[in-house]
Amino acid sequence: GENVEQHPSTLSVQEGDSAVIKCTYSDSASNYFPWYKQELGKRPQLIIDIRSNVGEKKDQRIAVTLNKTAKHFSLHITETQPEDSAVYFCAASMDGANNLFFGTGTRLTVIP
Amino acid sequence: DGGITQSPKYLFRKEGQNVTLSCEQNLNHDAMYWYRQDPGQGLRLIYYSQIVNDFQKGDIAEGYSVSREKKESFPLTVTSAQKNPTAFYLCASSIRTGEIPQHFGDGTRLSIL
Repeated sequence: GENVEQHPSTLSVQEGDSAVIKCTYSDSASNYFPWYKQELGKRPQLIIDIRSNVGEKKDQRIAVTLNKTAKHFSLHITETQPEDSAVYFCAASMDGANNLFFGTGTRLTVIP
Repeated sequence: DGGITQSPKYLFRKEGQNVTLSCEQNLNHDAMYWYRQDPGQGLRLIYYSQIVNDFQKGDIAEGYSVSREKKESFPLTVTSAQKNPTAFYLCASSIRTGEIPQHFGDGTRLSIL
C-alpha cells in the first residue's frame, strides 16, 4: 500500500519568511496530492492540491511542487503570517480510490 | 448552510462500554468516511460508505462498526473490543464514489474514563 512520509514534524519561522514542507510517497500509481491545514481541535481544510500531470501549482502565497520521478511533493508558503500557524498534512491518492493516505503532519509556528 | 455535523464534540467512554459517534451531512454526498487521528500521526481510515446500505472496512476497522441506513447519516460505534479508543474522530464526505473526501466535520474527541 501507499506510504507517505512528511518532514519536518515541526517548523518555526519568522513572520514574513517562507516555509517549506516536504512529503514523499511510495506508490507510483498515486496521482492526486492534496494539502490540508488543521487548526487546533478543528477540521482539516483543503488548501491546495496538485495532480500528477502538473509540476507546480500556485494560489496566492501558497504553492505546491511535484516531482513524479523522485516521488516527492512540497508545500511552499511565502510571506508567512501568524494566521498561517497550524498543522499541515500532505496526502496521496489515486483517481477512483476511496482513500487518502496522510502524512504525519507538520506543526508550523509563525513567530510575529 | 451545507456541511457535515458531528456530535458530540467530546465523549467519554467507560471500560466495556460501546459508544456511538454521530455524523450527519446535508450536502447530498454519496460517499462518507470515518477517520481516526492520534497525536503526531496523520488521519487513518476506519470505514467508508459509497452508497446507502453499503460500507467497507478501511485500514483500522477492528473494534469499530458503522451503519448507513440513510444517505445523510453515517454513525460510528466504538465497541468495547477497541482497546485504545482515545483519539480524535473525523467524519468526511465526497460527492460521489471514487472521489477523495472533500469535506470534513469538526470532529469528536473520545476519551476513556
